[in-house]
Amino acid sequence: EPEVTQTPSHQVTQMGQEVILRCVPISNHLYFYWYRQILGQKVEFLVSFYNNEISEKSEIFDDQFSVERPDGSNFTLKIRSTKLEDSAMYFCASGDTYSNQPQHFGDGTRLSIL
Amino acid sequence: AQSVAQPEDQVNVAEGNPLTVKCTYSVSGNPYLFWYVQYPNRGLQFLLKYITGDNLVKGSYGFEAEFNKSQTSFHLKKPSALVSDSALYFCAVRPNSGGYQKVTFGIGTKLQVIP
Repeated sequence: EPEVTQTPSHQVTQMGQEVILRCVPISNHLYFYWYRQILGQKVEFLVSFYNNEISEKSEIFDDQFSVERPDGSNFTLKIRSTKLEDSAMYFCASGDTYSNQPQHFGDGTRLSIL
Repeated sequence: AQSVAQPEDQVNVAEGNPLTVKCTYSVSGNPYLFWYVQYPNRGLQFLLKYITGDNLVKGSYGFEAEFNKSQTSFHLKKPSALVSDSALYFCAVRPNSGGYQKVTFGIGTKLQVIP
C-alpha cells in the first residue's frame, strides 16, 4: 500500500535556526497537510495545501512557517526561526479528491529545539 | 467551528473483554467521522470511517464504531480486546464538503489492554 514518507525522523536544531521538514505524499493525492503534536497533547492542524497554494491555515501557522511543493513529489514545511515551543512531532498527510476519504499520515518528524 | 471530545484520557480493559472508546463531536452540517490509532513513535493509522448509510461501521483489526446522530457520538468498539490493541486512539471529524477540509482531532484516549 502506498505510504506518506517523512524525513528526517528526528531533527535537532538550535533555537533561532531555520529548519525544513520534508514529506513525500502519496503520488496521486492532490491535497496536502501538516499537523503537529506536542508531546502528550492532541494532534493540531497547521495548514492545508491544494493546487500550489494554501487552502487553510490555523493560528499556529504564523509568519515563521511556510510550505512549498518544490517539485512534483515533495512537500516541505519550513520554520524560519525556530522557538523552543516549536518542539513537537510534525506529521504530514495527504488526501485524494474526495473529502470522505481518510487522510494518510506519515510517521512524523520529531523536532527538538535546543 | 468543529470539535471532538474524547472524555476518557485512558481506558483499561482486560484481554478478551469488550472495549469501548468514547467520542462525541460538533460540526456544521453532516460529518465525516474517523478513528485513527497511533502506536509509539509512529504516525496516525486509519482504522475506520463513517460517511453515510449504516450507523455501524466496521474497520481494521476487528474494530467497529457506531454513529449516533442524536447524541453526536461515534464510539469505537471491539468485542474482544487484544494486548496488541494497546495504543493511543484518536477520533476525528471533518465537514462533508470540500476535499481540502481539515480534520479536527480529539485529544486521544490511551487504551491499555491488560493480559
